[in-house]
Amino acid sequence: AQSVTQPDIHITVSEGASLELRCNYSYGATPYLFWYVQSPGQGLQLLLKYFSGDTLVQGIKGFEAEFKRSQSSFNLRKPSVHWSDAAEYFCAVRPNTNAGKSTFGDGTTLTVKP
Amino acid sequence: DTGVSQDPRHKITKRGQNVTFRCDPISEHNRLYWYRQTLGQGPEFLTYFQNEAQLEKSRLLSDRFSAERPKGSFSTLEIQRTEQGDSAMYLCASSLIPRGQLNTEAFFGQGTRLTVV
Repeated sequence: AQSVTQPDIHITVSEGASLELRCNYSYGATPYLFWYVQSPGQGLQLLLKYFSGDTLVQGIKGFEAEFKRSQSSFNLRKPSVHWSDAAEYFCAVRPNTNAGKSTFGDGTTLTVKP
Repeated sequence: DTGVSQDPRHKITKRGQNVTFRCDPISEHNRLYWYRQTLGQGPEFLTYFQNEAQLEKSRLLSDRFSAERPKGSFSTLEIQRTEQGDSAMYLCASSLIPRGQLNTEAFFGQGTRLTVV
């Protein structure tokens, strides 16, 4: 069974600073990988996804993520954080052998200081 | 709005009552998923449908929970004899899985927040 670990429960960064959110997964093969963002009381919005190919993927809102097979990681990055990026971020993994359930990490809450 | 729609957005119910939630997926999406999210946790998978067929159910889905997708379009999730532990956000998602293609993403609705008092 697959699992996802997001080691940082809460991160605070200053507006304009760079950001990296960590995600480690456990799965027997290369899975499909996703990052979602959730604002309070809202559903999840897909930021970016990795299926195959180039290990550096670009997403919406200036986010990118890098898949590192050797480290079983899929860390999310943004070079300059905006106050509107404050939200909760979830990493998710899904087997590449079916289109069934995804397994999510417990999330990282991002606070942005002015 | 062509996104995933969930109704109601909020539901407060007394313990022991039955509740039903509805999810309308994106038009023509053949896969529909239900997840549950409690405070401070990521979404946990409950069940999913391929058209009208329920293909997988989580062990989290006790006998008090039932989900249907009778015509392969909208879906309902019913919880019977609600308990305080059922308080959570219930999220619905949908995706389009063309035959032989698995690399697609799921789109989530805004969720239904259930509070059992």
